[in-house]
Amino acid sequence: DTEVTQTPKHLVMGMTNKKSLKCEQHMGHRAMYWYKQKAKKPPELMFVYSYEKLSINESVPSRFSPECPNSSLLNLHLHALQPEDSALYLCASRPGPSTDTQYFGPGTRLTVL
Amino acid sequence: ELKVEQNPLFLSMQEGKNYTIYCNYSTTSDRLYWYRQDPGKSLESLFVLLSNGAVKQEGRLMASLDTKARLSTLHITAAVHDLSATYFCAVDMYMTTDSWGKFQFGAGTQVVVTP
Repeated sequence: DTEVTQTPKHLVMGMTNKKSLKCEQHMGHRAMYWYKQKAKKPPELMFVYSYEKLSINESVPSRFSPECPNSSLLNLHLHALQPEDSALYLCASRPGPSTDTQYFGPGTRLTVL
Repeated sequence: ELKVEQNPLFLSMQEGKNYTIYCNYSTTSDRLYWYRQDPGKSLESLFVLLSNGAVKQEGRLMASLDTKARLSTLHITAAVHDLSATYFCAVDMYMTTDSWGKFQFGAGTQVVVTP
């Protein structure tokens, strides 16, 4: 298995909803990442998660919370989002800490109404 | 704060001609990555450049890294329509050799190849 999978592909939610995005990889990669990408912009790093620790981009609002139940799975819990949070959410994984590239999942297209 | 600048931001290419995309960054790093993104899709890894003078080639694409100039280039030879996409460079803001790193992406170069 050489891919990163993300579910769902599309998500529409209201501002009062709670939802979760899921990311999974079975390549034995030791780090996983969440990015947010707005249209015609580069990806912005939200969280870096290895099973040792979580690293947070301090500009990410608390309505986003990551969870890493095990080394293959990374969730992003969403609560009380705003319309400006609508974006493509990309998960990536990386084999090791030093020189490897990141492998991206297909993304979840999120729309907040 | 690390800044990564790509230029041009938009590149209209004619099929069969050669073009170059530039990626400048503001701090010392010897880890640079190139990605391709098709509209509505995710990012696909193209090249990993890990030392000064590194050169990688795949088909019509060739990437190089000059860490002293803090510059990477992505050269496209004899452009074809299939190369239409957005190309991103990313610099790894690693702090130590065992750091997980944080990628800082350039703004992206939108490439459109026309006959």
